[in-house]
Amino acid sequence: QLQLQESGPGLVKPSETLSLTCTVSGGSISSSSSYWGWIRQSPGKGLEWIGSIYYSGSTFYNPSLKSRVTISVDTSKNQFSLKLSSVTAADTAVYFCARVQAVDTGMLRTPAYFQHWGQGTLVTVSS
Amino acid sequence: DIVMTQSPDSLAVSLGERATINCKSSQSILYRSNNKNYLAWYQQKPGQPPKLLIYWASTRESGVPDRFSGSGSGTDFTLTISSLQAEDVALYYCHQYYTPPFTFGQGTRLEIK
Repeated sequence: QLQLQESGPGLVKPSETLSLTCTVSGGSISSSSSYWGWIRQSPGKGLEWIGSIYYSGSTFYNPSLKSRVTISVDTSKNQFSLKLSSVTAADTAVYFCARVQAVDTGMLRTPAYFQHWGQGTLVTVSS
Repeated sequence: DIVMTQSPDSLAVSLGERATINCKSSQSILYRSNNKNYLAWYQQKPGQPPKLLIYWASTRESGVPDRFSGSGSGTDFTLTISSLQAEDVALYYCHQYYTPPFTFGQGTRLEIK
């Protein structure tokens, strides 16, 4: 059974970089049928997609965060990571990692629905 | 960006009765080449991550009870719970994966009347 687990600091200072890692177990991050994604949920608010990565390193980012986001994959460790720079209080949220079903649309293989989720980790931005 | 608007924001239904949640996208999310609607539904209970219920607008995820069903096409979609159970109390979200940025509805809170 596929499991995902987020890890990283729960407190980040304003203007610094938020760094999280998602460890995948029970399956290979190099699966050709999977993208891997990050989604966040601000306290009491809805869900916001941050970005998704394929095992090859191909990425899709939310344009609203793209200038500050880097998602990377380490196939040797079966992990993928999120870095969000220049954080402010508005970046305080629960961050989820997820396995995303890949779909062939036209000539592209793109991310589709979020099939498996980690439990999420609360990251607070505060001095 | 494609805006996903759910209605109602909250809903109270008696046990055993039908619950219906609507989701409208600001543009069509039907990809005509494969005739698929790029829409999913999730259930989220307090302190838990979202759980996938439905994808491709109407395909039930493995293990999801058959009282959950999805319908609709183009811009208008519906999640129906045919006979509400106590464990169905949760937040429900729709999600479009037609084009980035992939977006979610604002959520519908389902409660017991």
